[in-house]
Amino acid sequence: GQNIDQPTEMTATEGAIVQINCTYQTSGFNGLFWYQQHAGEAPTFLSYNVLDGLEEKGRFSSFLSRSKGYSYLLLKELQMKDSASYLCAVRDRGGYSTLTFGKGTMLLVSP
Amino acid sequence: DTGVSQDPRHKITKRGQNVTFRCDPISEHNRLYWYRQTLGQGPEFLTYFQNEAQLEKSRLLSDRFSAERPKGSFSTLEIQRTEQGDSAMYLCASSDGLVGYEQYFGPGTRLTVT
Repeated sequence: GQNIDQPTEMTATEGAIVQINCTYQTSGFNGLFWYQQHAGEAPTFLSYNVLDGLEEKGRFSSFLSRSKGYSYLLLKELQMKDSASYLCAVRDRGGYSTLTFGKGTMLLVSP
Repeated sequence: DTGVSQDPRHKITKRGQNVTFRCDPISEHNRLYWYRQTLGQGPEFLTYFQNEAQLEKSRLLSDRFSAERPKGSFSTLEIQRTEQGDSAMYLCASSDGLVGYEQYFGPGTRLTVT
């Protein structure tokens, strides 16, 4: 089975940097995803890590350590529109690519 | 590429009624997933299709739930004898199993059972 933990809520200020952590325990691992979900909307893909290290994509970066079962999403130069839920999801090693999601971290960006 | 679409966007039904939702994936995607999401939770996997074959079902999918993807294109999710605990957002996602790993989500169908 899979167990994924991430903080429930975080707050930050516009223009700042915030790091959202995710730890996981899985019976198999074939990649970790971060999705952004605004209230009432569908999740949208942010990043994918399957090897250890940092993946950078504009203002968003994601890090993975497979040995530690740990990932983080780093958001730089925060904007008000970044207020959303951030979902960490793990793909198992099976061939079906189904995702197991954490409960999400609600990020509130204030002026 | 018009994205994943779902219909209806909202459904209110009385307990005991049957409901059916439709999902149209991105046209070239052969993989289709259904998830359920309740308030304050992440999406929970329900079932997975590769083309028209239903290859995996979650234990969350009781015998009141059935899903089809008859021609490997659109999919339907039916819930029979709805219960208040079925109230949730039902999300559909698709991916290109040959090339991509990213799942693209539709806007969801919000079900309210009264």
